Parts: sequence; C-alpha cells; structure tokens
Amino acid sequence: QSALTQPASMSGSPGQSITISCTGTSSDVGYYGLVSWYQQHPLKAPKLIIFGANKRPSGVSNRFSGSTSGNTASLTISGLQAEDEADYYCCSYAGSNSFVVFGGGTKLTVL
Amino acid sequence: EVQLVESGGTLVQPGGSLRLSCEASGFTFSKYAMSWVRQAPGKGLEWVTTISGNGGTTYYADSVKGRFTISRDNSRNNVYVQMSSLRAEDTALYYCATSGVTTGFEYWGQGTLVSVSS
Repeated sequence: QSALTQPASMSGSPGQSITISCTGTSSDVGYYGLVSWYQQHPLKAPKLIIFGANKRPSGVSNRFSGSTSGNTASLTISGLQAEDEADYYCCSYAGSNSFVVFGGGTKLTVL
Repeated sequence: EVQLVESGGTLVQPGGSLRLSCEASGFTFSKYAMSWVRQAPGKGLEWVTTISGNGGTTYYADSVKGRFTISRDNSRNNVYVQMSSLRAEDTALYYCATSGVTTGFEYWGQGTLVSVSS
C-alpha cells in the first residue's frame, strides 16, 4: 500500500488561508472518502483535527476544515495563526486488507 | 479524561523481541478498536496494526506482518504488541491510539521508544 501524497512543506502569513492537499487513489481516498487529518507539534503526539473527511472533533477550531474530491482530500486552515505551525498528516481508510494509509506529512511554516 | 500510557520501549538487538504495552483509562475500553502507529526519527507517521474491540479481528501493515502480533486484555484495559525478528528499520516512537474507520485515531498516548541496534 503506497503512502498518500502530500506536499513536503508549505508556508503562509498570519491571517492568510492555506490548503494542504492529500492525493490517494481510487482504492482509498477516492473509494471510501474516510479521511482524517492530524496536527503534530514538535515532540508532541499527533492530534486529530478532522475525521470523516470534513468533521471536526469537539474542541477543534472551526478555522480547520476538510473536503474531498475524487482521489484528493484537502485540509484548509483559515486565519493562520503562529500556533498553527506544525506538521500535518492525512490518513485514509483503505479497506480491510490495507486498513489505513498515511500521507508523508506537510510541514507548515507560519511566516 | 482519556489516558493512554505506553510502556516497554527499549534498546534491543537486531533479531530480538520486545513487547509493548498500552494501558487505557477514562473510556469504555472494550468498545474501541485500538491501534499502534509508529514514527521513525525525523520521519512521518506509519500505521502498524489494529485490533477490534473484542479482539476478534486484527490488521497488520505489510512491513510487520508475520513479525508483530497485537492483542488486548479488556479486563485490564490493556493492548499489547509483541514484536519479533526486529530490524533496524523498526526503530521508532510507537504510539498507542484509539481507532475507528469513520472516526480516525481519536486519542493518542505519548509514545514509547524502540531502538533496534547492535
């Protein structure tokens, strides 16, 4: 099972919006659409910020939103803040054989 | 408050074995599938293995199939991964996490470090 494809790095200025893409295949993102996103600050455990492609867990800022289109999932962060600087990972359900697959991660820098 | 506390990580020689444990609290353990996700130093997240709430179904990444075995004890609120034939590429921080197909990996522990080296 190949990893999902994410840009290695992205950057944005405070207040801007950025969108991180996550490209899979018709066997994972495109078929099931069950994508989750995780935020990881240095030396911290990952934190779930989006599940079911577009749902936010309780307590997660509404500045984070998710969507899917075909084989690609996207995470949009609006009103960038310094605290958003972190690594972001997408993950997709891929069926009972492969279960789940992660993306390689995107390092977000807030300028 | 949900807590997941991993333990058992250590330095082990290539070809060796190790068992990691994860103790859960703050939720009805038996109702949740549980997973292990690892992160090699400076690298991304890699799903390793998942076990259903009743322990009847297990899933493994190809990279560990045949070498790792996940199990759980719902009476003790613990999930384990028995790792054998360890390789240098198994060196990573191993996280325990609750998991659901539709809910993702909702809760995470802080991880336990496994180093495979001679």
